[in-house]
Amino acid sequence: NAGVMQNPRHLVRRRGQEARLRCSPMKGHSHVYWYRQLPEEGLKFMVYLQKENIIDESGMPKERFSAEFPKEGPSILRIQQVVRGDSAAYFCASSPESTGYTEAFFGQGTRLTVV
Amino acid sequence: AQSVTQLDSQVPVFEEAPVELRCNYSSSVSVYLFWYVQYPNQGLQLLLKYLSGSTLVKGINGFEAEFNKSQTSFHLRKPSVHISDTAEYFCAVNSRGTSYGKLTFGQGTILTVHP
Repeated sequence: NAGVMQNPRHLVRRRGQEARLRCSPMKGHSHVYWYRQLPEEGLKFMVYLQKENIIDESGMPKERFSAEFPKEGPSILRIQQVVRGDSAAYFCASSPESTGYTEAFFGQGTRLTVV
Repeated sequence: AQSVTQLDSQVPVFEEAPVELRCNYSSSVSVYLFWYVQYPNQGLQLLLKYLSGSTLVKGINGFEAEFNKSQTSFHLRKPSVHISDTAEYFCAVNSRGTSYGKLTFGQGTILTVHP
C-alpha cells in the first residue's frame, strides 16, 4: 500500500506564475488535508477536503489560493500569481473515512521556491 | 482555539544520553495528542499518540510520552538516543470534538545527537 504521494517534490516558480501541487492520498483514504510549513515555523492547517467537497478552509489565505479534490484524480492545491512569501513546504495528509479521527498520514511534501 | 508550545527550539545531546522534549498545550476542550518526527527533506512520521487510557504512551524507535492533564503537558522522552534520532520533532493536538484531522502543531524542536 503506497503512502501519500505528492508531486512535484520541488517546484521553482517566478513571481506572478501559477503553482500547482498534487496529492494522491493513500489507497482507501477519502479525506485529504493540506498544511503549510513556512521557514522556522511549525505546520499550519490550510484546508480539509473530501471527494468533491471542501469541508474546512479556515486556514486558506483569502486570495490566490484554492484547493480541490475531484471525484477522479489527485487533490490539487493551486496558488495563483505567486509571491516570495509563498515559498514554503506544502504537506498533504490523508485519513480513512470514519466517524472519528485518530491519525493522518503525511506525504513527503512539495517545496515551493518563488524567485 | 488551541495552541501548542514546544519549550525548546533546539536540544543538543550526546549519543546514549537520555532526552526529554517538552510540549505544553492549551485548549478549552479535551484533545488527542501526537508526536511526529521529520527527518531532513522528508514528510512527517507519527511517533506516538494519546487518545485515552493509560497516560504513558509508548511509540516507535524507543520513544515514550506522558500525558499530564493537570499540567497540560505531553513531554516526549527516550532513555538513550542514537545518532539516527537527529531530526525535528513536532507536538500536535486535535480536538476530541472534531471528527477530522485538523491538527494544531507546535513550532518544532530540533534534536541533534552528537557522537
